[in-house]
Amino acid sequence: AQTVTQSQPEMSVQEAETVTLSCTYDTSENNYYLFWYKQPPSRQMILVIRQEAYKQQNATENRFSVNFQKAAKSFSLKISDSLLGDTAMYFCAFMVYNFNKFYFGSGTKLNVKP
Amino acid sequence: DTAVSQTPKYLVTQMGNDKSIKCEQNLGHDTMYWYKQDSKKFLKIMFSYNNKELIINETVPNRFSPKSPDKAHLNLHINSLELGDSAVYFCASSQAPGTGRSPLHFGNGTRLTVT
Repeated sequence: AQTVTQSQPEMSVQEAETVTLSCTYDTSENNYYLFWYKQPPSRQMILVIRQEAYKQQNATENRFSVNFQKAAKSFSLKISDSLLGDTAMYFCAFMVYNFNKFYFGSGTKLNVKP
Repeated sequence: DTAVSQTPKYLVTQMGNDKSIKCEQNLGHDTMYWYKQDSKKFLKIMFSYNNKELIINETVPNRFSPKSPDKAHLNLHINSLELGDSAVYFCASSQAPGTGRSPLHFGNGTRLTVT
């Protein structure tokens, strides 16, 4: 069975500072993909960043980067220079290659304070 | 242009009624999904269709019936609505299996409130 765990229900960060959101997952598969999604108060689900498990290089998208540790089954998201607009729920997600099923963590609510 | 659109955005109805939520995607994706997000924000898959064929059917009451007339559309019909059905329902789409470069693309959600 595949599981995704986000151990931080809620976090706060000051505007312009850096914050790291944690995610761990459990799987016996070797080929899979990992994603971070953002859900602002508008309710829309927005893809933030994705990582292929076969790639050792950590993915980056502007102010967002991941720390992917395959052996430890860890996939944390770092947000640099936090903006007020980064306030949202953040979901870690996992998908096994060749299967359509996406597994989501329980989410981390991030508050960016002015 | 909206990639995944679902209607209605809000739905308020009484217990026992039957309601439908419609979803359409213009991304050319082969696979569509319904997810339920409960009050604690937990996202749980309900159904998945690949090219109109049901491929994932999680433990969902049979009052919920998905229908995919073509690969661009996936509707959700709910019979005999119950209070516990109140949630946000998300439609999503992705490319076919094995193409994980295509993540889930979500609609904006339908907030269903059963009174």
